[in-house]
Amino acid sequence: EIVLTQSPGTLSLSPGERATLSCRAGQSVSSNYLAWYQQNPGQAPRLLIYGSSSRATGIPDRFSGSGSGTDFTLTISRLEPEDFAVYYCQQYGSSPITFGQGTRLEIK
Amino acid sequence: QVQLVESGGGVVQPGRSLRLSCAASGFTFSRHALNWVRQAPGRGLEWVAVISYDGNNKYYADSVKGRFTISRDNSKNTLYLEMNSLRAADTAIYYCAWSLFSISWFGDWGQGTLVTVSS
Repeated sequence: EIVLTQSPGTLSLSPGERATLSCRAGQSVSSNYLAWYQQNPGQAPRLLIYGSSSRATGIPDRFSGSGSGTDFTLTISRLEPEDFAVYYCQQYGSSPITFGQGTRLEIK
Repeated sequence: QVQLVESGGGVVQPGRSLRLSCAASGFTFSRHALNWVRQAPGRGLEWVAVISYDGNNKYYADSVKGRFTISRDNSKNTLYLEMNSLRAADTAIYYCAWSLFSISWFGDWGQGTLVTVSS
């Protein structure tokens, strides 16, 4: 199975700043089938990005995804208060589907 | 508006069984694959199982293979997860989520149902 490693574990930033979250795969993710989710406390995850760089319906354009092969990035261009949450990457290029361990984005 | 509502969670002793349900509305249920994804308390996400749109194909994580069974009733827009031989390690919030294919990203998710395996 493909192991996904997210970094950093915790990212402390202020509203208005730019956030860069990393997801590294133990082997190449087929067809760049990499998704990102946001999870707020006590809530279900929400799809942000699929196919490495395609925004899901209703996701603001301050969220962008990039990367290929084994290295992927989620960028939040200007942080809003509601963006402080936990973010997970997920690969669906090969079975079984796997998730990264998450990055917690906290207010500095 | 898509709604997925899980039910059936609770406290169960190790070795016992439990059946989860997920009632869906707001989308064409019979055209989507459906998944169970779980999250142990304070931990990350783990995909558990998926069933194809027509119920003919089912896939499981190794951690639950042989103990859990996923099924669906397209006439009732409902997804199920039969969990047998439960272990403490199965303690988690169980979410249902739709996907376009049997291996895919997950669209909408339910709010989850908590399963606690404890003596």
